[in-house]
Amino acid sequence: DAGVTQSPTHLIKTRGQQVTLRCSPKSGHDTVSWYQQALGQGPQFIFQYYEEEERQRGNFPDRFSGHQFPNYSSELNVNALLLGDSALYLCASSLESRATIYFGEGSWLTVV
Amino acid sequence: AQSVTQLDSQVPVFEEAPVELRCNYSSSVSVYLFWYVQYPNQGLQLLLKYLSGSTLVESINGFEAEFNKSQTSFHLRKPSVHISDTAEYFCAVSVDVSGGYNKLIFGAGTRLAVHP
Repeated sequence: DAGVTQSPTHLIKTRGQQVTLRCSPKSGHDTVSWYQQALGQGPQFIFQYYEEEERQRGNFPDRFSGHQFPNYSSELNVNALLLGDSALYLCASSLESRATIYFGEGSWLTVV
Repeated sequence: AQSVTQLDSQVPVFEEAPVELRCNYSSSVSVYLFWYVQYPNQGLQLLLKYLSGSTLVESINGFEAEFNKSQTSFHLRKPSVHISDTAEYFCAVSVDVSGGYNKLIFGAGTRLAVHP
């Protein structure tokens, strides 16, 4: 049973560029959430997708956007990258009706 | 609004000693409680959870946590730690909201360093 998988694992981008991160949820899960974990901090909720719609959003600017596909996989897009966007981006999946959330290994983004 | 406070940013301990990592939360509604562990350069792994029922929950590797509603705490304990337990530990809450919304709010983390 595959867990939550994310790609790429590491990437380096230049300020002002755009990035797309990808996530496949755990088998059977229909809800995907994205979190940002800056160095030395706890993860911060970005947004959650269910049935291809953004259902909840944390305190992140519109530069952060996402998408969920019919197969429940998801993408996180960040436009106009800032140095402060450097972080570990974690994808998490769950069943809509269940509270337990499972995380992937994350995508390390460095903005230079 | 909900919040989570992990009272210790770092906890050094010798191998085979007991350890307690403290977690307090603030919420005006029912919550679910979780502990996640993060090994260096890895994602988060679910360690244990409290959803309902017995207030004492256990993991497969010897950790336990007790939900204390009156003190709004969910402290993590292990009677004898190993070098391999060295990691960052995060306490998190999820609010019980009808409709199945399950967003996690994390504490800042506690770095457990086990020394030989």
